[in-house]
Amino acid sequence: DQQVKQNSPSLSVQEGRISILNCDYTNSMFDYFLWYKKYPAEGPTFLISISSIKDKNEDGRFTVFLNKSAKHLSLHIVPSQPGDSAVYFCAASRRELTFGQGTILTVHP
Amino acid sequence: KAGVTQTPRYLIKTRGQQVTLSCSPISGHRSVSWYQQTPGQGLQFLFEYFSETQRNKGNFPGRFSGRQFSNSRSEMNVSTLELGDSALYLCASTVQANTGELFFGEGSRLTVL
Repeated sequence: DQQVKQNSPSLSVQEGRISILNCDYTNSMFDYFLWYKKYPAEGPTFLISISSIKDKNEDGRFTVFLNKSAKHLSLHIVPSQPGDSAVYFCAASRRELTFGQGTILTVHP
Repeated sequence: KAGVTQTPRYLIKTRGQQVTLSCSPISGHRSVSWYQQTPGQGLQFLFEYFSETQRNKGNFPGRFSGRQFSNSRSEMNVSTLELGDSALYLCASTVQANTGELFFGEGSRLTVL
C-alpha cells in the first residue's frame, strides 16, 4: 500500500518557467511533509518542509503548498534553472519518513 | 563537518551470499536509519536505530537486519541474497528523531547476480 504517491514519473520545463511537482498521500496521521532532491550518484538532500498545521512554506525559489482536505502537497520552483534538474522525492513523517517514488525534473536551457 | 559515510560504495554478490554494509553518521547524530531504493519504488524504509536500539522497522523480511554501535556507527546485513535485493542502500542520520530533516550518505550500490 503506497501511502505517498508521486503520479508523474517525469516533468520537463523550460528555464525561467515554473516547475510544479505534485504528491498525494493517504494517511491523515502524517504530521510533517518534506521534499528531497537527488542527483545521480549522490544521496538525497533536504530541500524544504512543511508542518501539517500550515498550508504554505517558502524558501527562496521553492514553495511548498499543503492541502490537507485533498491530502495533496506540491512543490513550486520559480524560476526553474538547469541546475534544478534532478529527482525530487516527497516524504511524509509520522514515526519514520515515507517517501514517494520520485519525479525526474528536467529543466531545459 | 564530515557527512554521512557509507562503505562500500559498490559491491557485487551472488544469490545465496550475505552482505554487510556500513554507515558512519555525522558526528553528534544518534539516529541512523536505512532505506532501500529501487527503480519505480522510491525509497523504502528498512529500520531506524537510536542509541544502539532498533526503534522502528519497515516491512522487510527477516533476512534484513541491522545494528548500531556505541559510537553511533551502524551496519546492516542481508543474508541469503536474492536477485530482487539489488538496489541502492541509503543510510541517513539525524540528531534525535527519525522524522524531519535527514542527512543521507551517497549509498551502497548492491548488485546480486
